[in-house]
Amino acid sequence: GAGVSQSPSNKVTEKGKDVELRCDPISGHTALYWYRQSLGQGLEFLIYFQGNSAPDKSGLPSDRFSAERTGGSVSTLTIQRTQQEDSAVYLCASSLVGPISNQPQHFGDGTRLSIL
Amino acid sequence: SQQGEEDPQALSIQEGENATMNCSYKTSINNLQWYRQNSGRGLVHLILIRSNEREKHSGRLRVTLDTSKKSSSLLITASRAADTASYFCATDGAGGTSYGKLTFGQGTILTVHP
Repeated sequence: GAGVSQSPSNKVTEKGKDVELRCDPISGHTALYWYRQSLGQGLEFLIYFQGNSAPDKSGLPSDRFSAERTGGSVSTLTIQRTQQEDSAVYLCASSLVGPISNQPQHFGDGTRLSIL
Repeated sequence: SQQGEEDPQALSIQEGENATMNCSYKTSINNLQWYRQNSGRGLVHLILIRSNEREKHSGRLRVTLDTSKKSSSLLITASRAADTASYFCATDGAGGTSYGKLTFGQGTILTVHP
């Protein structure tokens, strides 16, 4: 399809396990963003990629969270030693360009992560 | 952290009526965007208004922006049951960032009854 694709759509795992979430942005979109949506905190920015580099990681909640992007395309968000408070929907978005672009962001349907 | 607040938190109307949602924010911005989210789905971009614009239209949507009051409103005219969703405002450029980092409001849950 032509939209942003995220996998898995749902993930249930035990506390302490590592999880990897994948985002496949729209082809040609150089900017990629990860957000987290939870009942208590609403929608929160996590990290921004321009190409393969991440100029802003300020939203990552702790050092258990990391993300990478390869080939200017697919991105993975990894959460190590998951905790129950990590339970949320993780949303990925992409846009054509980053800097002062006034471009809309196109979102995937998210990965619903549940930590038991 | 949230940039601002939206009100009302929930809005229930009949089909055919207009729906107005408001958004306030705290810092200077490059633009303000409105998104819709249906249950269990991602966000869908509705409209973007730049900081030097005051009003913008797209189909049944009308957005206003008042940078002096740091507020915006989204008006949906002649609402339909299919408009039932959560609506979020998001500011781009809050705190001086320039790369599309969005800061979201808490959202308004709109229910349109057939």
